[in-house]
Amino acid sequence: GAVVSQHPSWVICKSGTSVKIECRSLDFQATTMFWYRQFPKQSLMLMATSNEGSKATYEQGVEKDKFLINHASLTLSTLTVTSAHPEDSSFYICSARDQRLAVGNEQFFGPGTRLTVL
Amino acid sequence: AQSVTQPDIHITVSEGASLELRCNYSYGATPYLFWYVQSPGQGLQLLLKYFSGDTLVQGIKGFEAEFKRSQSSFNLRKPSVHWSDAAEYFCAVGARTGGYNKLIFGAGTRLAVHP
Repeated sequence: GAVVSQHPSWVICKSGTSVKIECRSLDFQATTMFWYRQFPKQSLMLMATSNEGSKATYEQGVEKDKFLINHASLTLSTLTVTSAHPEDSSFYICSARDQRLAVGNEQFFGPGTRLTVL
Repeated sequence: AQSVTQPDIHITVSEGASLELRCNYSYGATPYLFWYVQSPGQGLQLLLKYFSGDTLVQGIKGFEAEFKRSQSSFNLRKPSVHWSDAAEYFCAVGARTGGYNKLIFGAGTRLAVHP
């Protein structure tokens, strides 16, 4: 149980285009989803926290107009990188938890999406 | 402020040797502690977690960790390392900040295993 999927697993796009990444909880209801960014050989940096049906809460320094997050259902959250530029190239990882059930902030992680902007 | 420190950026051990990865945290309340492993290009897999109770926690793949409140530590151990254990290991603390529950990650320790 507690499986989280991401799609696509990797994407290459041209500079200036927008890219959407999906994060799905397959066998549980994710009341809260998190989006992380990971640069090569570095740790995970939390970008934003989204609760189903409400606006995402962005971490300091993360541009909300650049990284659009939608969490419209209990099993799906999307991250859209708008007008992507090469510096947006990174590994994006989502995680999810059922806030009503989870103990101790446990989160279940997706496999990640590798974004390369040319 | 809450923080997690993994003092060792890179560790190399021989296959079959024992392993200990260090993790120290700073958190004002009772911490929730986690160890995750990440293989190259992959997401994170939970090895083990500590919420309360027995301070010695058993995880998957033969790993264990011990919570020591007096030392603010949650070190990960394995008695005999296998080549497949080569990966990046992250320690994390569950924290409640700004009204939200978050995971705060350490910088990670990259483990290399020599045959």
